[in-house]
Amino acid sequence: AQSVTQLDSQVPVFEEAPVELRCNYSSSVSVYLFWYVQYPNQGLQLLLKYLSGSTLVKGINGFEAEFNKSQTSFHLRKPSVHISDTAEYFCAVGDGGATNKLIFGTGTLLAVQP
Amino acid sequence: GAVVSQHPSWVICKSGTSVKIECRSLDFQATTMFWYRQFPKQSLMLMATSNEGSKATYEQGVEKDKFLINHASLTLSTLTVTSAHPEDSSFYICSARPTAGGHDTQYFGPGTRLTVL
Repeated sequence: AQSVTQLDSQVPVFEEAPVELRCNYSSSVSVYLFWYVQYPNQGLQLLLKYLSGSTLVKGINGFEAEFNKSQTSFHLRKPSVHISDTAEYFCAVGDGGATNKLIFGTGTLLAVQP
Repeated sequence: GAVVSQHPSWVICKSGTSVKIECRSLDFQATTMFWYRQFPKQSLMLMATSNEGSKATYEQGVEKDKFLINHASLTLSTLTVTSAHPEDSSFYICSARPTAGGHDTQYFGPGTRLTVL
């Protein structure tokens, strides 16, 4: 069975500071990994995804994530955050099968303060 | 971009009544749609996978007779919560996978907040 762990339920950070949101997964098979962002009262929006190839993945809004197979991690980073980055961030793993069902972590609230 | 809509965006109903939630892919066809449930401050939990023209596949622990899913066309899936009770109050989110595209892609709707009194 697959699972996703986001250890930090909330990450407060000042504007223009760097941030890292942690995500660890467990799976016995090759996986697809995703980061989604959910702004208040909106649906989930894909930030970035890792399917294969380069372990450093760049996404929208200046975010990037690195797939680390040995540490089973897929941490999300941004070198300088803005107030507008305040949102809930979800890490997800897909089984890569025909259906590719997604298993989500519990989410991390990124709270950017001025 | 690909847009998925949900209707209604919020609904309040009395205990014992049924509520239907629609999920539409507005500018693409979706053979497969997914229904999730999200509790406050918690993650999205997959309830079922809906395939156009066939029966939905429910996740373990989800009552198929309570949460009826119909995927009658390539752009519409519906979730009906039958005989709703207060414990069914939640945020219901759908996603749609484009028929023409990789199976790693899902576009999410904005969600429907259900409150059962």
